Amino acid sequence: QQQVKQSPQSLIVQKGGISIINCAYENTAFDYFPWYQQFPGKGPALLIAIRPDVSEKKEGRFTISFNKSAKQFSLHIMDSQPGDSATYFCAASVTGNQFYFGTGTSLTVIP
Amino acid sequence: DGGITQSPKYLFRKEGQNVTLSCEQNLNHDAMYWYRQDPGQGLRLIYYSQIVNDFQKGDIAEGYSVSREKKESFPLTVTSAQKNPTAFYLCATQLDRGNTEAFFGQGTRLTVV
Repeated sequence: QQQVKQSPQSLIVQKGGISIINCAYENTAFDYFPWYQQFPGKGPALLIAIRPDVSEKKEGRFTISFNKSAKQFSLHIMDSQPGDSATYFCAASVTGNQFYFGTGTSLTVIP
Repeated sequence: DGGITQSPKYLFRKEGQNVTLSCEQNLNHDAMYWYRQDPGQGLRLIYYSQIVNDFQKGDIAEGYSVSREKKESFPLTVTSAQKNPTAFYLCATQLDRGNTEAFFGQGTRLTVV
């Protein structure tokens, strides 16, 4: 069963718009929630991560919002750019244990 | 990337053959992982190793084997028992399993012909 559920599968956004990708989890023991960005033919790279003791973390145009009670977290990309076009994966883990990845969201930013 | 080298980038295998994918790291990380990536399924864990000469099965280990004879190297063998081996394979490392960030290699695309 999928430990982390991610939506949407694909997303098309106009340049300058806001991209929002959502993830949900069930295991309340998860204590680390990263987002990875992957370009075609490349390995994923860490974009931003959050721990459940905070509700929001912002790094530049990228923000993670975390709702512990709803067991959901989301990635917001502000002022989306064509260079942001990539596949985004959310993940969750209990520190010291394996990562569980979402199924990925293919983002296309139209100029 | 940046210290994790996967080779080859592309690999073609005939049915019934075993093939070995290489993963080498110079980050001095203890933990190493192999993931399989299929369209629409995200990354699934095949095997992982926390220390030399020790490794554990992940969620989809059937048809695969690994070794960890050196800290720097964690090769993955895709055996003929793996019924659907065509996929993108990713190697990852962590400083140790208590440290959270995972670093990924550039991947190997395996195709059965």
